Amino acid sequence: QQQVKQSPQSLIVQKGGISIINCAYENTAFDYFPWYQQFPGKGPALLIAIRPDVSEKKEGRFTISFNKSAKQFSLHIMDSQPGDSATYFCAAKPGAQKLVFGQGTRLTINP
Amino acid sequence: GAVVSQHPSRVICKSGTSVKIECRSLDFQATTMFWYRQFPKQSLMLMATSNEGSKATYEQGVEKDKFLINHASLTLSTLTVTSAHPEDSSFYICSARGRSPYEQYFGPGTRLTVT
Repeated sequence: QQQVKQSPQSLIVQKGGISIINCAYENTAFDYFPWYQQFPGKGPALLIAIRPDVSEKKEGRFTISFNKSAKQFSLHIMDSQPGDSATYFCAAKPGAQKLVFGQGTRLTINP
Repeated sequence: GAVVSQHPSRVICKSGTSVKIECRSLDFQATTMFWYRQFPKQSLMLMATSNEGSKATYEQGVEKDKFLINHASLTLSTLTVTSAHPEDSSFYICSARGRSPYEQYFGPGTRLTVT
């Protein structure tokens, strides 16, 4: 119930391509869905987040797509760049309770 | 965006000694702070949650006598690893939440190595 399942575990994309990472959840009480970007040896940084009242949110090259009925959400990185190579974590939380993290996706953008 | 700092960024200590890690929210008041542990190539594992002026709430399986957490002010929380052992070597990350119950900001992490 409290799990967030993230896929794929690793992803290799060519420069300029679209990177897509997917997450699925079961707990319908989740009402906040952030994505975090983490570089090696650094803490996670909030990238973009969405609430369930919208189906899509875009910030620059990053877009979250949210499907409430399917209980799925995904991160799309357009025009992927080598600097986007990092580990990405989806997460979810119900109200003021703690964040539940996905397993992480190691993204590599080949130049 | 909100900034959270951690000190030190790296620490090496001998087995049996204690080490303290500081976490500060630099430009906002953190009503709640979180401490995570992360093993290589794994996700973040929540260790404990602390509210300013209250005792920390520890996750199941985390020894509260070993990992002492103090949240003495709205901008500072500390994690003390007592009687450290090599298996405590890990990447420790703090996180802080302000007035909004949603946005949570992470520190840069502290790499602890116990020899």
